Amino acid sequence: EDQVTQSPEALRLQEGESSSLNCSYTVSGLRGLFWYRQDPGKGPEFLFTLYSAGEEKEKERLKATLTKKESFLHITAPKPEDSATYLCAVQAAGNNRKLIWGLGTSLAVNP
Amino acid sequence: NAGVTQTPKFRVLKTGQSMTLLCAQDMNHEYMYWYRQDPGMGLRLIHYSVGEGTTAKGEVPDGYNVSRLKKQNFLLGLESAAPSQTSVYFCASKRTDANEKLFFGSGTQLSVL
Repeated sequence: EDQVTQSPEALRLQEGESSSLNCSYTVSGLRGLFWYRQDPGKGPEFLFTLYSAGEEKEKERLKATLTKKESFLHITAPKPEDSATYLCAVQAAGNNRKLIWGLGTSLAVNP
Repeated sequence: NAGVTQTPKFRVLKTGQSMTLLCAQDMNHEYMYWYRQDPGMGLRLIHYSVGEGTTAKGEVPDGYNVSRLKKQNFLLGLESAAPSQTSVYFCASKRTDANEKLFFGSGTQLSVL
């Protein structure tokens, strides 16, 4: 069964304290892995798409990486405005409509 | 550029009442989706549309109906609301099938008493 698991469920960091969020997946052929950010009371906002193992994408303090079994979202020197829930979603090859979503990691960055 | 707009933002219904959630996008996107988001369940696809006049079932379609009479609008209807439909509903759209970047609305918080 196709599955996406995110860890940890919640993470609290001090401003400037770098860390990584994990997204493990089990799918029958990967078409793409997506990272979204969701602020309270808002819809998810697209961050990155990764398509193949070894691929990396960067945006400001965020860097996403992909292996054959998992993806990491590295947050370097986070700021309080990086506080949000980070969602991972996977699309399996051949399944053109359905994204399999993880439950997210709730990140809080204290000043 | 408003993106994806959902109305209403909040609604409280009694069991058995009906209502329609409206989603409008101004990006000329072909694909539109309705999701529900519940604690511990993640985002689940209710219905989707691949173009004007088309609709299809997602993973949790029971109790919902949809219509896409105009390309920019995607309506989600609840004919007889049940407490199990208490949730946050999100509409999303994307340009084509090849472009997987989804644009989400800000959500509708629905409570069914």
